[in-house]
Amino acid sequence: GQNIDQPTEMTATEGAIVQINCTYQTSGFNGLFWYQQHAGEAPTFLSYNVLDGLEEKGRFSSFLSRSKGYSYLLLKELQMKDSASYLCAVWDSARQLTFGSGTQLTVLP
Amino acid sequence: GAVVSQHPSWVICKSGTSVKIECRSLDFQATTMFWYRQFPKQSLMLMATSNEGSKATYEQGVEKDKFLINHASLTLSTLTVTSAHPEDSSFYICSASPAGGQGGELFFGEGSRLTVL
Repeated sequence: GQNIDQPTEMTATEGAIVQINCTYQTSGFNGLFWYQQHAGEAPTFLSYNVLDGLEEKGRFSSFLSRSKGYSYLLLKELQMKDSASYLCAVWDSARQLTFGSGTQLTVLP
Repeated sequence: GAVVSQHPSWVICKSGTSVKIECRSLDFQATTMFWYRQFPKQSLMLMATSNEGSKATYEQGVEKDKFLINHASLTLSTLTVTSAHPEDSSFYICSASPAGGQGGELFFGEGSRLTVL
């Protein structure tokens, strides 16, 4: 079966850097997504990794190691508006997207 | 990016009634759309994969006779919750990919919050 693990909660200070880890075990692999979801809203796309390495996009970066079944989302220069749930999701060989339980990030002033 | 629109955003209904939720891809054609359900403080759970012109594929444990899915065109999929009960109250979200499910970015609708009294 599918198994995606990420921490339940994290707290960081405004202006700091935070790394949210995600490990996965899935039936095949066609890419890993990171989504941001504010309470009561639909998820919004942050990043997509299908090859090993680091993808940088502004304050957000995402890393993937397929051999280790591991990814992380790096958020720099944290802002209060970054307080949200961050969802790791894997696109498996059946072309289905399986979500992790999400990491609730709280940014403190 | 691509836009997926979902309607209604909020719906309150009485137990035993049926509710229809629409999901539209506004600027691309989507042969495949996905329906998710999210309970409070939980992650998104895939309910079914909606395929244009054919039957939907339901995940294990999801009743196909209760959650009717129709994907009549390349830009519209509908989810009908039949004979709704309070335990069906949840946040329902649809998504679609311009790549047609072959990988790549998945765009989400705004979500529909259903409350069954």
